[in-house]
Amino acid sequence: EVQLVESGGALVQPGGSLTLSCEASGFTFSSFAMNWVRQAPGKGLEWVSYISATGRAVYYADSVQGRFTISRDNAKNSLSLQMNSLRAEETAIYYCARDATVGVITHLDYWGQGTLVAVSS
Amino acid sequence: IQLTQSPSTLSASIGDRVTITCRASQTVSTWLAWYQQKPGQAPKVLIYKASNLADGVPSRFTGRGSGTEFTLTISSLQPDDFATYYCQQYNSYSSFGQGTKVEIK
Repeated sequence: EVQLVESGGALVQPGGSLTLSCEASGFTFSSFAMNWVRQAPGKGLEWVSYISATGRAVYYADSVQGRFTISRDNAKNSLSLQMNSLRAEETAIYYCARDATVGVITHLDYWGQGTLVAVSS
Repeated sequence: IQLTQSPSTLSASIGDRVTITCRASQTVSTWLAWYQQKPGQAPKVLIYKASNLADGVPSRFTGRGSGTEFTLTISSLQPDDFATYYCQQYNSYSSFGQGTKVEIK
């Protein structure tokens, strides 16, 4: 059974930093690209970042470019999101999600339950 | 690429046929998916590549379209279908529509 479990969410001050993690199991992690998607309270979904299966290709939404860094450790079946210079409007549930098809950016077939990041003083 | 869904909220009754529209600011070919999200849950994929039904999704869900205009139709609304629906494009990186909430009338 595919499982994605996020962790690392916390209360952080504006301008602060935080690293989120996503532990994967039940599939060959090194074969699939991964994504981070966030959802502010009561709002819609916002794609944040993508990393290819090998980690060589990474993409970011314009809103986080230069402040967030996505990475993965295929030996540990782990995905990370390093977030710097956090803003109040980035308060959200952060989901990790798997790309459904090997090799190309595609739809997201498995999602974790999310971890809450609250940015407030 | 910006995706605009309409309507934002839809009130319907059990058994109704409902259609949600998603318009893209530029062509996404058929690289479009639909998701269903219920309160407190992660999204679940319903349709991918515009018209392909995801595994385990009931056949009352149908996706159509290409280019810049897409629809998701539920042929006969069931109690389990009251939720928020999102479209997602993956032609150019990725982005989501703002969502359509399907409410009980």
